[in-house]
Amino acid sequence: DAGVIQSPRHEVTEMGQEVTLRCKPISGHDYLFWYRQTMMRGLELLIYFNNNVPIDDSGMPEDRFSAKMPNASFSTLKIQPSEPRDSAVYFCASRKGQGSEQYFGPGTRLTVT
Amino acid sequence: GENVEQHPSTLSVQEGDSAVIKCTYSDSASNYFPWYKQELGKRPQLIIDIRSNVGEKKDQRIAVTLNKTAKHFSLHITETQPEDSAVYFCAARRGTSYDKVIFGPGTSLSVIP
Repeated sequence: DAGVIQSPRHEVTEMGQEVTLRCKPISGHDYLFWYRQTMMRGLELLIYFNNNVPIDDSGMPEDRFSAKMPNASFSTLKIQPSEPRDSAVYFCASRKGQGSEQYFGPGTRLTVT
Repeated sequence: GENVEQHPSTLSVQEGDSAVIKCTYSDSASNYFPWYKQELGKRPQLIIDIRSNVGEKKDQRIAVTLNKTAKHFSLHITETQPEDSAVYFCAARRGTSYDKVIFGPGTSLSVIP
């Protein structure tokens, strides 16, 4: 298996633009997590899905952020409009069941200028 | 909700010495405690985990201990090597349905050759 796949790996955009981050979980994994990592705030859980259903989005910072999981093999995290303070590394992770290891993707480094 | 604290935030040791990182958690219902290692520019990767029915677990030079009564757990690395240099995250997770992992703020470990 290729592991969790994220695209793009790097994204540079201007303030006000829409940004879409993509994730493909490991096949057969039924949990998908979106994290944001910054020096100031560490590794924050934004939202997670179980069987494509959003379970907890309490970590989503504000209405500018939205996430979807239309099927078991694809999820998106969208920021509209983007702001410089959104600059961070965004990780997607997936897991099979409740008792197993959580695998992280390589991350997307987002820079908003 | 769960809150995980981690100390120290930075740790510098001489090669061959031991390193200890300590974490506390707030939710007594947490029963799974993974540790992740993140090398510079890379994704977090699981290195060891412990469940609440176990007090200690060892894997070669790495060991974790758990004190459920005091709600704290620790990572011990013996005979440290330069390749152990990384950021280490502790985490806690409840064992109920739709559980999520809460990460500590991380410890930056530097092993000096």
